[in-house]
Amino acid sequence: GEDVEQSLFLSVREGDSSVINCTYTDSSSTYLYWYKQEPGAGLQLLTYIFSNMDMKQDQRLTVLLNKKDKHLSLRIADTQTGDSAIYFCAEVFGGYQKVTFGTGTKLQVIP
Amino acid sequence: DGGITQSPKYLFRKEGQNVTLSCEQNLNHDAMYWYRQDPGQGLRLIYYSQIVNDFQKGDIAEGYSVSREKKESFPLTVTSAQKNPTAFYLCASSGQTSTDTQYFGPGTRLTVL
Repeated sequence: GEDVEQSLFLSVREGDSSVINCTYTDSSSTYLYWYKQEPGAGLQLLTYIFSNMDMKQDQRLTVLLNKKDKHLSLRIADTQTGDSAIYFCAEVFGGYQKVTFGTGTKLQVIP
Repeated sequence: DGGITQSPKYLFRKEGQNVTLSCEQNLNHDAMYWYRQDPGQGLRLIYYSQIVNDFQKGDIAEGYSVSREKKESFPLTVTSAQKNPTAFYLCASSGQTSTDTQYFGPGTRLTVL
């Protein structure tokens, strides 16, 4: 079955870059998401990348996809305290939108 | 404003009682989903519905039930058969095509005492 893994915790200083990593096992996904969850709230879609792309940039966010290694990363440039949250990667498989979520990485930004 | 609402935000129930969580969307989405979130485990799919009057079990449907009588509404009932009901419950909706993003509600935190 599908399995999506993330490290549980990342701590960075304000102004530095953050890199959140994700590995997955099923290569048949159509695209991959990154979601952000602030405390006590729902998930907010940050960005997504189609499985036939290698990189996507969106303002401070850069997504890199290495299909050979089944590795996805999210880089946040100039990390701010408002970026403190849990970040989930997720695989989407065609059809009705079968989605498999990673375990989430809690990002702590130190002022 | 378009969006998904879940109510209440916090819910407390005694063990052995059934409880229903509300989810409403005005995005005109066909598909709706219920997820359960536990610390360190990510989100797990409970039930989903692709169209009115139809729904399917997800990965952890035991102890839960749903209905989809209206396009806008997808309530989830947590029954007394659910062994560990205390969790954060998230509702989502999406369009029908494979490129349509899932939009999430703010969640309901259920605590069973």
